[in-house]
Amino acid sequence: TQLLEQSPQFLSIQEGENLTVYCNSSSVFSSLQWYRQEPGEGPVLLVTVVTGGEVKKLKRLTFQFGDARKDSSLHITAAQPGDTGLYLCAGAARGSARQLTFGSGTQLTVLP
Amino acid sequence: DAGVTQSPTHLIKTRGQHVTLRCSPISGHKSVSWYQQVLGQGPQFIFQYYEKEERGRGNFPDRFSARQFPNYSSELNVNALLLGDSALYLCASSFPAGELFFGEGSRLTVL
Repeated sequence: TQLLEQSPQFLSIQEGENLTVYCNSSSVFSSLQWYRQEPGEGPVLLVTVVTGGEVKKLKRLTFQFGDARKDSSLHITAAQPGDTGLYLCAGAARGSARQLTFGSGTQLTVLP
Repeated sequence: DAGVTQSPTHLIKTRGQHVTLRCSPISGHKSVSWYQQVLGQGPQFIFQYYEKEERGRGNFPDRFSARQFPNYSSELNVNALLLGDSALYLCASSFPAGELFFGEGSRLTVL
């Protein structure tokens, strides 16, 4: 069974601060995705990383896939209240791109 | 274009009852997946259907079943409900190799 561990589980910071969320596993994934989920809504895809060592940037968000494709991180620079939400990482095994293993999530609150 | 639509949005059942949840995918999407999200946890994969055939099943008991119809909509059925089945049930649709688009979910409470 593949498991993804996310840390921290909860994070409350002030506007303008930087933060990093970690997603770790003992299993290798063919790809890893990051989602953001707001209350009453389903998760929305932010990014997919496929290659070991890959780094992708989405405005103030930087995503990195570990060299061994077992871990990933999400770094947010100068967080804003609009970044508040539940951040989920999800891994896909080879041949099972639609059958994702999700982490338990990081609930981020950015205070104005 | 309409996104993934799920119904009902909220429902309350008692232990032992049966529930049917429905999902309409985005037009053109032939793959539908179901996930269970218990409060405070990430979603857990239940089923995937593509072209009306089951393509994957997660670690859920046989009380959980699903099907996909010719118009690619899908139903998730849960029999003999337990308190632990209380969760947000998410449906996601996609093209065969594309991004998953999630609906807003059906919030099931079992009393």
